[in-house]
Amino acid sequence: DSGVTQTPKHLITATGQRVTLRCSPRSGDLSVYWYQQSLDQGLQFLIQYYNGEERAKGNILERFSAQQFPDLHSELNLSSLELGDSALYFCASSGTSGRQETQYFGPGTRLLVL
Amino acid sequence: LAKTTQPISMDSYEGQEVNITCSHNNIATNDYITWYQQFPSQGPRFIIQGYKTKVTNEVASLFIPADRKSSTLSLPRVSLSDTAVYYCLVGAQVRMDSSYKLIFGSGTRLLVRP
Repeated sequence: DSGVTQTPKHLITATGQRVTLRCSPRSGDLSVYWYQQSLDQGLQFLIQYYNGEERAKGNILERFSAQQFPDLHSELNLSSLELGDSALYFCASSGTSGRQETQYFGPGTRLLVL
Repeated sequence: LAKTTQPISMDSYEGQEVNITCSHNNIATNDYITWYQQFPSQGPRFIIQGYKTKVTNEVASLFIPADRKSSTLSLPRVSLSDTAVYYCLVGAQVRMDSSYKLIFGSGTRLLVRP
């Protein structure tokens, strides 16, 4: 158990819909990262938040957005869903050690778009 | 971030020692080397991290030569439960609140046979 929680575990929805994935970081961690893992593309970094502010963006589509709240939990919003958005979405968190940090990953949310 | 190269797959048998080598020719002075393990449908899990020479923990050892252009993850006496994908990453955090994202390559699929 990494200490990072994600809800829901599974999500089935239809094309064109919007969903919200939730992540609670480890206690004390200020950074939250979102990753997408699909069968054909491996793990892709989407976005990072640090203490409520966006810090880095990766391969995140404009249809996707995220935020980190004052209590440090984060939400990833996926809208206008397409079949290709079906994937595992992982959240990770890290602290502030000042050097390369270990990221602790949650169990993931499996999204299926039909 | 430095690009890494790892073997796509490896086979081993229970009880054997497994060594997975990662090449990172463009590693920067302040980069650390980190290895993650991922089981199917689970988030990556931190295994070990090092900067130079040798690091050992209860799970694995990490050998880094003086030029740091490669590293070797050593798993002693593997068991069937060590079957997973192993990722090598290099990178560093510049500032305490700097953006830091993990770039996952394809990883090495380790299959441990009975």
